[in-house]
Amino acid sequence: DTGVSQDPRHKITKRGQNVTFRCDPISEHNRLYWYRQTLGQGPEFLTYFQNEAQLEKSRLLSDRFSAERPKGSFSTLEIQRTEQGDSAMYLCASKGTVQEKLFFGSGTQLSVL
Amino acid sequence: QKEVEQDPGPLSVPEGAIVSLNCTYSNSAFQYFMWYRQYSRKGPELLMYTYSSGNKEDGRFTAQVDKSSKYISLFIRDSQPSDSATYLCAVNTGANSKLTFGKGITLSVRP
Repeated sequence: DTGVSQDPRHKITKRGQNVTFRCDPISEHNRLYWYRQTLGQGPEFLTYFQNEAQLEKSRLLSDRFSAERPKGSFSTLEIQRTEQGDSAMYLCASKGTVQEKLFFGSGTQLSVL
Repeated sequence: QKEVEQDPGPLSVPEGAIVSLNCTYSNSAFQYFMWYRQYSRKGPELLMYTYSSGNKEDGRFTAQVDKSSKYISLFIRDSQPSDSATYLCAVNTGANSKLTFGKGITLSVRP
C-alpha cells in the first residue's frame, strides 16, 4: 500500500451518465496527478495540481472532464456525459517536495456500457 | 515517434533466469528514469529510480541508464514467479514531475 487511496475501485455506468472519482494522496504530498490507462498501454498524463492550483491539463482532457483539489488535500475527477471511449483505469499519484518519485494509488476502473 | 519506446512483449522465462527489459527515449531533456511494476488490476508500484547515467542496484534488480544513447534497462536476477507482472519504464524532465511512460511489457516467470 503506497498511501494513496482511490475510491471507488470499480465503477460501471451507462453512456451519458456523469461519474466522479476521488483520490486521497499521501498527506504531506503537495503535488497530485491524474493519469488514464487503457488495456495494453502505459498510463497517460491527464492533469496535475500543486496544492489547490491546477497547473497543467493534457489535450486528452476534453471539456467533459473536470478535476478539482479544493483545499490542497483530496482531489476529484468528474466525467460528464460518459462515452464508451472513456472506459479505462483512472490512476491518481502524489509526490512530495524533495524527490522526483510519484506514488500511485490502485486506480478506479471505469466501464461505460 | 513516441517519446518512450519499450520492447514489445510478452516475455516468458523459467524461474531463476536473468531478465533484461529495455526502453529507449527520444528527448534529451529527460533527466529522471524510473521503472514501475504493475500487477493485474493494481496501480503501478515504483521499483527503481535513477537520476544520472550509470547503474543502480537494489537486491535482485539493477537499473541501467545510458543518456548518450538514450537507453534505459532493468535487469532482474534469479527471477521468481512473484516477479510476474507488467513492467513500465517512465521518464521525466524534472520540470513538473510529469511522467511519460512506455507501453509496458508483461513478464511471466514459469516455476
